[in-house]
Amino acid sequence: QKEVEQNSGPLSVPEGAIASLNCTYSDRGSQSFFWYRQYSGKSPELIMFIYSNGDKEDGRFTAQLNKASQYVSLLIRDSQPSDSATYLCAVVGDNNDMRFGAGTRLTVKP
Amino acid sequence: SQTIHQWPATLVQPVGSPLSLECTVEGTSNPNLYWYRQAAGRGLQLLFYSVGIGQISSEVPQNLSASRPQDRQFILSSKKLLLSDSGFYLCAWGETGGLQPQHFGDGTRLSIL
Repeated sequence: QKEVEQNSGPLSVPEGAIASLNCTYSDRGSQSFFWYRQYSGKSPELIMFIYSNGDKEDGRFTAQLNKASQYVSLLIRDSQPSDSATYLCAVVGDNNDMRFGAGTRLTVKP
Repeated sequence: SQTIHQWPATLVQPVGSPLSLECTVEGTSNPNLYWYRQAAGRGLQLLFYSVGIGQISSEVPQNLSASRPQDRQFILSSKKLLLSDSGFYLCAWGETGGLQPQHFGDGTRLSIL
């Protein structure tokens, strides 16, 4: 079974701090990596994707990928209370199937 | 731009009743289509996916079925619902090929009584 693992949290950070969310995956042939944000009672919303090793920045969000370590992370700078949500890591393996982690619940405290 | 519609938003059904959830996509052709279920506080469980009309792959054996009668229409059905079928059902679409992200509909919250 190809696994995607995330700490379930909750992860609590103060407003203005950097939130760091981590994800590991077992399929070494994985090719595409995504971060979704899911507010309580809502559907997941794509916020970042990354395909190559290194960092990718989009506004306050930075995705980091290390294929050798099978590790992908999401950094949220200047965290806001509106960032409080569950963050899902998703990985597409070498057979093109997308696998989701169980999500990390983030709380940003004012 | 592409949009995905899913309905109804909420549904309360008795045990043993039938189910039909519908999902349609606009603004794209030949999308990959997916049905997921999310139990409360849990991750996403892939139920079915389709790469084309009439082509359905099942990930988990259960009393649910899926159909794709048109290119951009995906239907989730059951003949007799079980209590364990309660959950948040999500339809998603992705570009052909599978390496691109999936985009989700608003979901249907299904409660079985």
